[in-house]
Amino acid sequence: DTAVSQTPKYLVTQMGNDKSIKCEQNLGHDTMYWYKQDSKKFLKIMFSYNNKELIINETVPNRFSPKSPDKAHLNLHINSLELGDSAVYFCASSGTVRDNEQFFGPGTRLTVL
Amino acid sequence: LAKTTQPISMDSYEGQEVNITCSHNNIATNDYITWYQQFPSQGPRFIIQGYKTKVTNEVASLFIPADRKSSTLSLPRVSLSDTAVYYCLSSSNTGKLIFGQGTTLQVKP
Repeated sequence: DTAVSQTPKYLVTQMGNDKSIKCEQNLGHDTMYWYKQDSKKFLKIMFSYNNKELIINETVPNRFSPKSPDKAHLNLHINSLELGDSAVYFCASSGTVRDNEQFFGPGTRLTVL
Repeated sequence: LAKTTQPISMDSYEGQEVNITCSHNNIATNDYITWYQQFPSQGPRFIIQGYKTKVTNEVASLFIPADRKSSTLSLPRVSLSDTAVYYCLSSSNTGKLIFGQGTTLQVKP
């Protein structure tokens, strides 16, 4: 069983489009995260949710909107995609908000043309 | 400004011990230091976590000095399959989660 899953694995789209990435964890964790990894492999946190509530919102453009329908799911919707949004997006989860042992999904490679 | 800094790359040979040091100058006083391993086209995977002194598990050891401004991941007797990118993670004293920029370890035969 996959602990943290993301769909799709690859996403190729045109500038200006709107797209969503879905994430699900079956670990029973309370906290979920979205990270962006750029071409230089820097991992940067974007958002964190704890029990469906937003607790971390880094300086991310408001074109990015996370949504957590329940604590097992954290989706990421991106409006008006730009070239600079091209990256690998990772979802992760941890048992609690203070637990840095995070379990990562396989990543979604987003390419904006 | 809180920064988490690691060497960009390291080379080693099979069977050697590898030590990778991370500097985290503004680490939160009550937060753990965590290390991850990432293979190409995969998500990072947890290796080890510690608060101070020394922690050891079946794959690595983690050394943290008393001031906690740095930590050293030690991989004993590396093999070719340990070739990967290694990241340290800590929280700043403002609560921000910060990954180091990653250390690419290349193990040679």
